[in-house]
Amino acid sequence: EAQVTQNPRYLITVTGKKLTVTCSQNMNHEYMSWYRQDPGLGLRQIYYSMNVEVTDKGDVPEGYKVSRKEKRNFPLILESPSPNQTSLYFCASSSPFMSAGLAADEQFFGPGTRLTVL
Amino acid sequence: SQQGEEDPQALSIQEGENATMNCSYKTSINNLQWYRQNSGRGLVHLILIRSNEREKHSGRLRVTLDTSKKSSSLLITASRAADTASYFCATRDEANAGGTSYGKLTFGQGTILTVHP
Repeated sequence: EAQVTQNPRYLITVTGKKLTVTCSQNMNHEYMSWYRQDPGLGLRQIYYSMNVEVTDKGDVPEGYKVSRKEKRNFPLILESPSPNQTSLYFCASSSPFMSAGLAADEQFFGPGTRLTVL
Repeated sequence: SQQGEEDPQALSIQEGENATMNCSYKTSINNLQWYRQNSGRGLVHLILIRSNEREKHSGRLRVTLDTSKKSSSLLITASRAADTASYFCATRDEANAGGTSYGKLTFGQGTILTVHP
């Protein structure tokens, strides 16, 4: 089954304690992205990656880091979380090419990670 | 700032009625996509329309694109209670197409649709 998985699904942490949210996809997609969703603000892109070792900033990258060492994984790292990073986070993947019945450019989203920073 | 702006912010209708949501954007786009989200869950892709297309259909969904007005609309016909969800448009800029910024996708704030049984 084609899917994007995220872990953990829920996380409560304290200010300054480094954390990593993992994201993995099994569709061999080239593109992966991280978004945060906040009430009234919709989804805002944090970082995206076009392929292994290629990452770029989205609209709200401050306070976040990412890495893309393998095609399937795209972890989101918060080196020193702050309360304003409390949000619902989504990972997504896509490919610019049609393959195995999957449409080009269609983004597959993970189930979300609800993060609370106290 | 958000590229896509949805209108209305909230829509409440009865089952069987049609629901129309609109999305406006500011720059030239390569494609525009519509997504659906059920209450805090992950988004699900509904339909993608490219800048050289004017209309697309998928089941009860009809999407139109007017690049001269920089706007798109999503029509859900014969709505059902199960259509209750938030709907988002997302745009991929033409300037980013084929380049290293192709991965950049900008979402609107969404329309909350409530369909009453």
